Amino acid sequence: EPEVTQTPSHQVTQMGQEVILRCVPISNHLYFYWYRQILGQKVEFLVSFYNNEISEKSEIFDDQFSVERPDGSNFTLKIRSTKLEDSAMYFCASSDPGNTIYFGEGSWLTVV
Amino acid sequence: ELKVEQNPLFLSMQEGKNYTIYCNYSTTSDRLYWYRQDPGKSLESLFVLLSNGAVKQEGRLMASLDTKARLSTLHITAAVHDLSATYFCAPGRGGSRLTFGEGTQLTVNP
Repeated sequence: EPEVTQTPSHQVTQMGQEVILRCVPISNHLYFYWYRQILGQKVEFLVSFYNNEISEKSEIFDDQFSVERPDGSNFTLKIRSTKLEDSAMYFCASSDPGNTIYFGEGSWLTVV
Repeated sequence: ELKVEQNPLFLSMQEGKNYTIYCNYSTTSDRLYWYRQDPGKSLESLFVLLSNGAVKQEGRLMASLDTKARLSTLHITAAVHDLSATYFCAPGRGGSRLTFGEGTQLTVNP
């Protein structure tokens, strides 16, 4: 079964450093997303991406965050200057128009 | 702003028993998803409910959607230990964000 793959699975970074989380969505999907989940809390939407541009973003997705689809397969989330409160599991997801949204295994980000 | 309420948030039940998890949401959505999450793991898609009155079943789980009442239910039949996990509902619109509930942490005891 096709799956969404994410790297790295776990990253520890110092406060103020830049982090890039990478995702390979399912190949025929058109919509891409990033969500995050702070430990023990619910899953929160960050951003959706369609047709090579951001289609929607949440209030969490401020100027410190950016997304990119640098080629035909990768989808990245960059956090420019990490803060302690950015520590969370970051999930990439993808979907075809109108059906199941598939989530990757997640990238654990720990900011120290 | 869409608000999603799940209840109960914590559910401890015995094997073999039945129970229902409820998901209420505040504004119109054209679909509703149910996901399962094991500790430290990703979100596994269980059901996508696309229309009013939709009912889907997979094994011991059955989900339904009432868009007029803005209510979805996840019914567990004859629970087994393997169903222990956190279950999230998430209403949304096609191609748009999902808004997740707080999750229902289910523990099935022998």
